[in-house]
Amino acid sequence: GQSLEQPSEVTAVEGAIVQINCTYQTSGFYGLSWYQQHDGGAPTFLSYNALDGLEETGRFSSFLSRSDSYGYLLLQELQMKDSASYFCAVRVDSNYQLIWGAGTKLIIKP
Amino acid sequence: DSGVTQTPKHLITATGQRVTLRCSPRSGDLSVYWYQQSLDQGLQFLIQYYNGEERAKGNILERFSAQQFPDLHSELNLSSLELGDSALYFCASSVSQNTEAFFGQGTRLTVV
Repeated sequence: GQSLEQPSEVTAVEGAIVQINCTYQTSGFYGLSWYQQHDGGAPTFLSYNALDGLEETGRFSSFLSRSDSYGYLLLQELQMKDSASYFCAVRVDSNYQLIWGAGTKLIIKP
Repeated sequence: DSGVTQTPKHLITATGQRVTLRCSPRSGDLSVYWYQQSLDQGLQFLIQYYNGEERAKGNILERFSAQQFPDLHSELNLSSLELGDSALYFCASSVSQNTEAFFGQGTRLTVV
């Protein structure tokens, strides 16, 4: 079967740095995406890694190691508005079909 | 606002009933995806359409069906509803079949 593993919950302090890990086991692999979802809201695209290495976009960075079937999302200078669920998703075919992890709830404390 | 419009936002219906969820993609987007998200779960891919044709099928039950119309809007039909069908149903659209998709705000379906 196909599966993605990510922690169910992570707690951090405002202003700190947090890393959310994702390991995957899928039949195909085109790339790893990260999405943010606030309670009751729509998933919002954050990043996409097709090649190994680190991609940086402002306070957020995403890393991929295809040989380890592993990636992470790094959030820096945490703000209260970053409190949300973060999903990793693997693109498994050319049709951009995504297999999703169950999500990591990020709780930020003042 | 992603530009993807879903209606209705909320729907409460009884078991055994049938409902239709509607999605209007972003202007110019040809590809439409439907996802189901149960409470505290990730998204389950249901089905994808591209320019009116079905292109990929995920874990979609036989009681569910979808279509994309010539004006590119899409409908997801859910029939013989069960309590377990209660979930958020998201539609997403993208320009082509292999570009990032943008999500609508979802339809929250409650089956009682």
